[in-house]
Amino acid sequence: ETGVTQTPRHLVMGMTNKKSLKCEQHLGHNAMYWYKQSAKKPLELMFVYNFKEQTENNSVPSRFSPECPNSSHLFLHLHTLQPEDSALYLCASSQDLIQPQHFGDGTRLSIL
Amino acid sequence: AQKVTQAQTEISVVEKEDVTLDCVYETRDTTYYLFWYKQPPSGELVFLIRRNSFDEQNEISGRYSWNFQKSTSSFNFTITASQVVDSAVYFCALTRNTDKLIFGTGTRLQVFP
Repeated sequence: ETGVTQTPRHLVMGMTNKKSLKCEQHLGHNAMYWYKQSAKKPLELMFVYNFKEQTENNSVPSRFSPECPNSSHLFLHLHTLQPEDSALYLCASSQDLIQPQHFGDGTRLSIL
Repeated sequence: AQKVTQAQTEISVVEKEDVTLDCVYETRDTTYYLFWYKQPPSGELVFLIRRNSFDEQNEISGRYSWNFQKSTSSFNFTITASQVVDSAVYFCALTRNTDKLIFGTGTRLQVFP
């Protein structure tokens, strides 16, 4: 298996639920990213991890909690989300912070 | 501040037509990188090209070509002889020597048979 894999592809959850999005990369990259893509808005960078250390938190609400246990895996833990959090969440990885980023297919999240 | 503008929200063409997607950027940095990504209906973003600010040579890759003009802060993308499989949303992006990619809002290209 190669590339960047995100699971699940689709997630529907209530506002009081707790769920996690998973991202896995088999490219040997050292940097991983979470992006949010809402309708008719630019892609928004949420978090960046470089060598498992968080280097960027782009003013993301605390109801989103990232975790990077190793360079190959990245999680986004979700709790008490709001309807406006419904979006496509994309994970990406890159060899280092200025190399091209490779994206996963995304998780389509719907908050009821 | 850095900014990427893709003024064309949506473009529709018929197969075999040439189409140019515009990208205008703003930055005060002298060193920066520009990217184009393709997002097909399946959702994943596919990297197409990276260009650094010191390399203004235009690039051609098959039916794709890119025109980088620092004088007008533009990095336009042309698809020659478009095909239905080119239908996607295309994003232009900018970054300094850091991790933060600034994306434009994207241009949706629809190629009809």
